[in-house]
Amino acid sequence: GENVEQHPSTLSVQEGDSAVIKCTYSDSASNYFPWYKQELGKRPQLIIDIRSNVGEKKDQRIAVTLNKTAKHFSLHITETQPEDSAVYFCAASKGSNYQLIWGAGTKLIIKP
Amino acid sequence: NAGVMQNPRHLVRRRGQEARLRCSPMKGHSHVYWYRQLPEEGLKFMVYLQKENIIDESGMPKERFSAEFPKEGPSILRIQQVVRGDSAAYFCASSLGLIENTGELFFGEGSRLTVL
Repeated sequence: GENVEQHPSTLSVQEGDSAVIKCTYSDSASNYFPWYKQELGKRPQLIIDIRSNVGEKKDQRIAVTLNKTAKHFSLHITETQPEDSAVYFCAASKGSNYQLIWGAGTKLIIKP
Repeated sequence: NAGVMQNPRHLVRRRGQEARLRCSPMKGHSHVYWYRQLPEEGLKFMVYLQKENIIDESGMPKERFSAEFPKEGPSILRIQQVVRGDSAAYFCASSLGLIENTGELFFGEGSRLTVL
């Protein structure tokens, strides 16, 4: 079945530096890839998503890139700020289905 | 729009009791998903429902767990005869339509179940 692997599990970066989180998926039919941010004790919230007909999408300091051939996608956060500290989850749609397959999450720590 | 509403936010039960978690999706949303999250872990899919129908319950344990989404009222996740291992945060999410078409899942704040 579909599997999504996410790396690293923990990422610590200096405030102002960039952070990159990578995910790989197994089902070549997957066509929707969202990223969710979950702050401590809060609910997950969508921060950016990308569909398979696009290679890159950007929204201010965050961007997502997709390599369909290699079946991986990445989240890029530039000029990191303390409020970026959270757990980030990637996910991939299960082909022509309704379900998202989730990565295990990356805990991003922004060091002052 | 009040968003996805879950209650109770915190629930404490003793082993063997029943836990009922409720979820009201966003207005106009007819797709509801339940997820379970253990501390420091990711989201584990449990069940996907539409009004009066269970579409996929492949992530839900076969025993003690059940879910419903009646024509009227909230979706209910029911855990019978709870055990300590059921202690977790249970998140409900809703979407307007199929994920691939409408994208975003909107999550509730979660219900945190503690089994003593």
